[in-house]
Amino acid sequence: RKEVEQDPGPFNVPEGATVAFNCTYSNSASQSFFWYRQDCRKEPKLLMSVYSSGNEDGRFTAQLNRASQYISLLIRDSKLSDSATYLCVVNIPMVGYNKLIFGAGTRLAVHP
Amino acid sequence: EAGVTQFPSHSVIEKGQTVTLRCDPISGHDNLYWYRRVMGKEIKFLLHFVKESKQDESGMPNNRFLAERTGGTYSTLKVQPAELEDSGVYFCASRPNKYSAGTEAFFGQGTRLTVV
Repeated sequence: RKEVEQDPGPFNVPEGATVAFNCTYSNSASQSFFWYRQDCRKEPKLLMSVYSSGNEDGRFTAQLNRASQYISLLIRDSKLSDSATYLCVVNIPMVGYNKLIFGAGTRLAVHP
Repeated sequence: EAGVTQFPSHSVIEKGQTVTLRCDPISGHDNLYWYRRVMGKEIKFLLHFVKESKQDESGMPNNRFLAERTGGTYSTLKVQPAELEDSGVYFCASRPNKYSAGTEAFFGQGTRLTVV
């Protein structure tokens, strides 16, 4: 089983739609979680961290379910500029250091 | 403040040649990670430095790959000899210190390596 799994998509949605991505992780010791966004031929950039209580940043909402070991990202009122690959990133605590593992990414295409 | 910088941005080499990729992390960041994205696949972990020490190199594909981090500053990743399957985008990322579990990793723009 992969350490971090995501539905690769693509998700093709019209402008204004609401879209949700899920990500599951296998290591129950994982403590920190992130959503990164990667545009074509660019480096990944942090979209938002995921907090235990859930957190919202404008049109974006992230949720964490520790019991089921998944995190989610909800995008409301999709914009054309939201088209990108969304990467689920999990911090796995090791002995004396922290390891970051990436999911394969979910592609989102927002069309007019 | 300068971000993570990688050099070169692109490299095209022939099979069997040697290539060295360089990463300059954000100044003061102890953690330096190397990742690779092969076309159509996910970003895969290669290795992790804490300062000058290789903390985890479990993702290194084979002994044709050698990474170093001189004095805990910049890092190099050498591929020798390069094979066709080494083609992909190599990303470097850095994070501040050992208590970085909840902190963001900053990525360089990547080096696109093509082996022909």
